[in-house]
Amino acid sequence: EDQVTQSPEALRLQEGESSSLNCSYTVSGLRGLFWYRQDPGKGPEFLFTLYSAGEEKEKERLKATLTKKESFLHITAPKPEDSATYLCAVQAYRDDKIIFGKGTRLHILP
Amino acid sequence: EAQVTQNPRYLITVTGKKLTVTCSQNMNHEYMSWYRQDPGLGLRQIYYSMNVEVTDKGDVPEGYKVSRKEKRNFPLILESPSPNQTSLYFCASSLSRSVNTIYFGEGSWLTVV
Repeated sequence: EDQVTQSPEALRLQEGESSSLNCSYTVSGLRGLFWYRQDPGKGPEFLFTLYSAGEEKEKERLKATLTKKESFLHITAPKPEDSATYLCAVQAYRDDKIIFGKGTRLHILP
Repeated sequence: EAQVTQNPRYLITVTGKKLTVTCSQNMNHEYMSWYRQDPGLGLRQIYYSMNVEVTDKGDVPEGYKVSRKEKRNFPLILESPSPNQTSLYFCASSLSRSVNTIYFGEGSWLTVV
């Protein structure tokens, strides 16, 4: 069964304190892995798509990486406005179904 | 501006009273879907539509209906809502079902009492 597990569930960091969020997945034939940002009471907002192991993508203070078993979302020198829930999702070639993880709630303290 | 618009954003209703949540997108996307988001369970797909007049069940379709008569609109219908359908609902769209950016609406908070 295809699965996505995100860790930690919640993370509190001081402003400027870099860290990484983890997304472990099992899927037969990965078409793509996605990262989304979700602010409280709002819809998820697309951040990145990664297609193959070794691929990396960056946007401002965020960098996403992908291996054959997991993806990391690295946050460098975060600011309070980076506080949000970060969702990971995978899509399989087999049926194009997208499976979301439960998310990591990130809180950056000023 | 690319948008997925849902209405209503907030609704409290009573058990058994039929309701419809509307969804409209302005990007000419073929693929549209509905999700519900519950604490501890994450986002789960209710129904999806590959194109006009083509709809299919997602992971949690029980108690819901959808229709796709026009490309831009994809309403979610709760014929006889029950308290276990209290949730945050999201409409989403993308160019196709295969790898593409998914655009989500702002969400509809539904409470069934």
